[in-house]
Amino acid sequence: QKEVEQDPGPLSVPEGAIVSLNCTYSNSAFQYFMWYRQYSRKGPELLMYTYSSGNKEDGRFTAQVDKSSKYISLFIRDSQPSDSATYLCAMSASSGYSTLTFGKGTMLLVSP
Amino acid sequence: NAGVTQNPKFQVLKTGQSMTLQCAQDMNHNSMYWYRQDPGMGLRLIYYSASEGTTDKGEVPNGYNVSRLNKREFSLRLESAAPSQTSVYFCASSGSSGGAETQYFGPGTRLLVL
Repeated sequence: QKEVEQDPGPLSVPEGAIVSLNCTYSNSAFQYFMWYRQYSRKGPELLMYTYSSGNKEDGRFTAQVDKSSKYISLFIRDSQPSDSATYLCAMSASSGYSTLTFGKGTMLLVSP
Repeated sequence: NAGVTQNPKFQVLKTGQSMTLQCAQDMNHNSMYWYRQDPGMGLRLIYYSASEGTTDKGEVPNGYNVSRLNKREFSLRLESAAPSQTSVYFCASSGSSGGAETQYFGPGTRLLVL
């Protein structure tokens, strides 16, 4: 079993839809969880980060972590065509320097 | 504040040629990383440098060498390029954000080895 699993998609939704992107993981030591957005032919861009379990909201984006289920989610409200990108989850076990474990990414397509 | 910059943006090499990919960051971060990204494989860590003067192997280090030139710069060298090294290479640096080390990526270098 891979450490981090993420459905590659593509996930196609109409503009204005609520989008749910998810990752599951196997390493219970992970405590820090990040979401990156990567536009085509660009570098990954840090979108959100959360610590341990719970929710974090930033504008139209909400990150949710359920450590008991080893499951994290990113919700996008009122999705826009500009949200079309690949979304990567990433995790680390410690607060100090640590290499990240990435999911392979989910491609999201939002049609006007 | 440019963040993480990479040069070149695109390169074509012949098998056996060598080249160095350059990376610099202006965020005063201690840690820097090199990844490669291939379709279906995701981001894979090649080498990283936790601080100036130290380097460590990541998941896929074979065929690569790195140099942490100073706190700002971290270069990746291919001594004898192979077609299997055709990929997009990303450099990243990390700094503390609310307690966690979060990584910030450069725009990437697209490498084609013929």
